[in-house]
Amino acid sequence: QQQVKQSPQSLIVQKGGISIINCAYENTAFDYFPWYQQFPGKGPALLIAIRPDVSEKKEGRFTISFNKSAKQFSLHIMDSQPGDSATYFCAARGAGGTSYGKLTFGQGTILTVHP
Amino acid sequence: KAGVTQTPRYLIKTRGQQVTLSCSPISGHRSVSWYQQTPGQGLQFLFEYFSETQRNKGNFPGRFSGRQFSNSRSEMNVSTLELGDSALYLCASSSGPGQSYEQYFGPGTRLTVT
Repeated sequence: QQQVKQSPQSLIVQKGGISIINCAYENTAFDYFPWYQQFPGKGPALLIAIRPDVSEKKEGRFTISFNKSAKQFSLHIMDSQPGDSATYFCAARGAGGTSYGKLTFGQGTILTVHP
Repeated sequence: KAGVTQTPRYLIKTRGQQVTLSCSPISGHRSVSWYQQTPGQGLQFLFEYFSETQRNKGNFPGRFSGRQFSNSRSEMNVSTLELGDSALYLCASSSGPGQSYEQYFGPGTRLTVT
């Protein structure tokens, strides 16, 4: 079964600091790796995504780093703000067969940014 | 452009009953996926519909079913509800299967089974 493992489960960062969340996957049959941000009572919102042929993607304060050989990818939030406090999910999209298009999610990281 | 809408937002049902949840995708999107979110199991894929056809299905019992209409709106049905079916049910829409499509989630339907 394809799996995506996410760490840490929870993270506390001071305002202005860097938040780093890591994910690792166990199967190479993924072709797209999005990160979602979820606030309480809301659905997950697409934050940033990367394809495996790119090693890094940056959008504003958010950066994804991707290591294809290690099957790992991470989210970096620079200059973390209290408004970034939310649950973050990494995901991987199936590339073919019966898993084509299906998103497999990590377990989530609860980020708390202290003012 | 309006986002994904889900109705109802909250639902309380009794064990053994059945329930139908509705999802309206973003205008122009033809693919709808359903996910179940629980504290213990996280986000788990239920099924995906594209052009009224189920393209993919997760590892859920047959009590969970869905369908998609010609206007891309989708419904999911859970029959013979169990306590463990209490969860947030999320619908995500995308333009369709392919290399570039991205999935956008609705706010979810919070189902409580008593």
